[in-house]
Order: sequence, then C-alpha cells, then structure tokens
Amino acid sequence: AQSVTQPDIHITVSEGASLELRCNYSYGATPYLFWYVQSPGQGLQLLLKYFSGDTLVQGIKGFEAEFKRSQSSFNLRKPSVHWSDAAEYFCAVAAPDRGSTLGRLYFGRGTQLTVWP
Amino acid sequence: DAGVIQSPRHEVTEMGQEVTLRCKPISGHDYLFWYRQTMMRGLELLIYFNNNVPIDDSGMPEDRFSAKMPNASFSTLKIQPSEPRDSAVYFCASSPTGGAQHFGDGTRLSIL
Repeated sequence: AQSVTQPDIHITVSEGASLELRCNYSYGATPYLFWYVQSPGQGLQLLLKYFSGDTLVQGIKGFEAEFKRSQSSFNLRKPSVHWSDAAEYFCAVAAPDRGSTLGRLYFGRGTQLTVWP
Repeated sequence: DAGVIQSPRHEVTEMGQEVTLRCKPISGHDYLFWYRQTMMRGLELLIYFNNNVPIDDSGMPEDRFSAKMPNASFSTLKIQPSEPRDSAVYFCASSPTGGAQHFGDGTRLSIL
C-alpha cells in the first residue's frame, strides 16, 4: 500500500538559514510526488511536483526537491529561508487511477516549520 | 483564474442538524476530491469523483456522510445528522487528468 512518512513533526530554523524537509514514500511503481504548503486558515498550495525526468525539480517560492529512487525519498530544500515560509508542509504520493496517470493522493502527516527572526 | 471555491468558510451548528458543504471546482478539471483535516488524523480522503462519477468513497466515515456531483461545476458533501466528532476542516480539491490537485480554502466545521 502507498504511504508517505515525514519524520519531522516540527522544525525550527533561523531566517536566512538553509532548510531541508524530509519525505520518504512507499510505493511499488514509479511514484508521482508532490510537496504542498499550508498557511494557517488556508488551503494547500502546490509547491512542486515530480512526474518523471530530471530528479531535481524546481518549484515556487525558491523551493526545490530531489527524487532519490534508491532511498525512496523526495526531500524539500530551500537555500535561504524567509520568515514568510513559516507554515506546514505536506509531502504526497499519487496512486494511478484506472490507467490514468494520477488519482488519489496519499499525504504525510506534515512538518510544521517555524522561522526565527 | 478562479481557484476552487468552497462555501461556507465557517459553519457552526448543533449536534443533530444537517450540514451541507459546497464546492465549485476549477473549470475544465475532471477530478474532484473531498478531504477532511483534523489534528488527530491529519488529511483524510473522503471521496473522489471523475467526470461527476464517484470513483472511491471508501474514506466516507459513515452512512451519515454523503456526497454528490450533479454536474461538472458543483459538488456537495452532506452530513446528516451531524455529531461533535465531525468537527474538522473540510477541503475540496480538483485536478485535470494527469495534473496536480488544487485545493480550496476549506470549510471549518464546528458541531456543538
């Protein structure tokens, strides 16, 4: 069965520091992977996605993620964090639906990011 | 472009009442998803539709929950009768075939 693990429930970094949020997935075939961000009182916003090709994908707001099949990981990174990046981050994997490329998403439990000024 | 639109944004009602949550997906998207988010259980998929047809409703917690999609631009999630444990944030999302899901801002539901 598909599953996503985000080992870190809460991470705190200083503004300007680098950031890496971990995500491990369990899926028997080629995964379709996503990172979403959720600010308080808001819905989930797509940061980036990996479908195929280059394993380093660029997203919005200066984020990037690297797919490593050997480690079943899809970690999110940002070289310099801004105070506005404080939010909750969700990793997700998609399961194919009746032959289409995407169907339902399986989400991790999220990582809450706090940014110190 | 208009995103996924959910209404109401907040709903407070008493136990036993019927609750109806509404969702307008992004035009052209043929998948629609309903999620529930709680501190205890995180994000749970309740049901999803493809071309207005329910595909997987295995996440619907009980018979008290029902969802419909009468046309490509509208869906409802109904709880009848509501219970305090139904209190959560309910999200609707839509996607094109082969594309990523886009989420609405959610409905915060409180059952007293």
